Amino acid sequence: AQSVTQLGSHVSVSEGALVLLRCNYSSSVPPYLFWYVQYPNQGLQLLLKYTTGATLVKGINGFEAEFKKSETSFHLTKPSAHMSDAAEYFCAVIGYNFNKFYFGSGTKLNVKP
Amino acid sequence: DAGVTQSPTHLIKTRGQQVTLRCSPKSGHDTVSWYQQALGQGPQFIFQYYEEEERQRGNFPDRFSGHQFPNYSSELNVNALLLGDSALYLCASSPVGGMMTNTEAFFGQGTRLTVV
Repeated sequence: AQSVTQLGSHVSVSEGALVLLRCNYSSSVPPYLFWYVQYPNQGLQLLLKYTTGATLVKGINGFEAEFKKSETSFHLTKPSAHMSDAAEYFCAVIGYNFNKFYFGSGTKLNVKP
Repeated sequence: DAGVTQSPTHLIKTRGQQVTLRCSPKSGHDTVSWYQQALGQGPQFIFQYYEEEERQRGNFPDRFSGHQFPNYSSELNVNALLLGDSALYLCASSPVGGMMTNTEAFFGQGTRLTVV
């Protein structure tokens, strides 16, 4: 079975500070992992994804994530937060039959000036 | 390319009524999935359509049904609406059905359904 746990429903950082959003997954098969961002009253926008190959994945807007199989983690980071990063972030894993996403419950990122 | 288009953007319905939500997939995509995102939660998979058939279904009652048309667009129907059906309904499209299609999934902006 597949599942995703996002630690911390709310994270607050100062502008310019490091952003770290945590995601741990459970998967009975090699996972495909994703981070999506959702701005208020909007749909989901793909930030980055890991399917195969390099375990450090770079995405849009300066975000990156590292797949660590031994820790079953896929944490999202950004070296320097910007006010425009304030949004809700969802980690997701693709199901066994590649037909559906399992999403975490989301982390709301607040960026303080 | 307009991407994934959903209509309407907002909808208010009364308990017991029926609702139809619509989704036009991204050009070149033939697989459509629907998700329900309740307030404060992550999206939950409802079902997926490919070649005009429901290919997989999540843990949702039969009140939730769908359809896919020959042009790959899709509808989500919910009967006998409950207050708990209030949510953002997201449509995702993917190219060519089969393995690994969802690594290329694109989401629409969603339809906000409010049941009163």
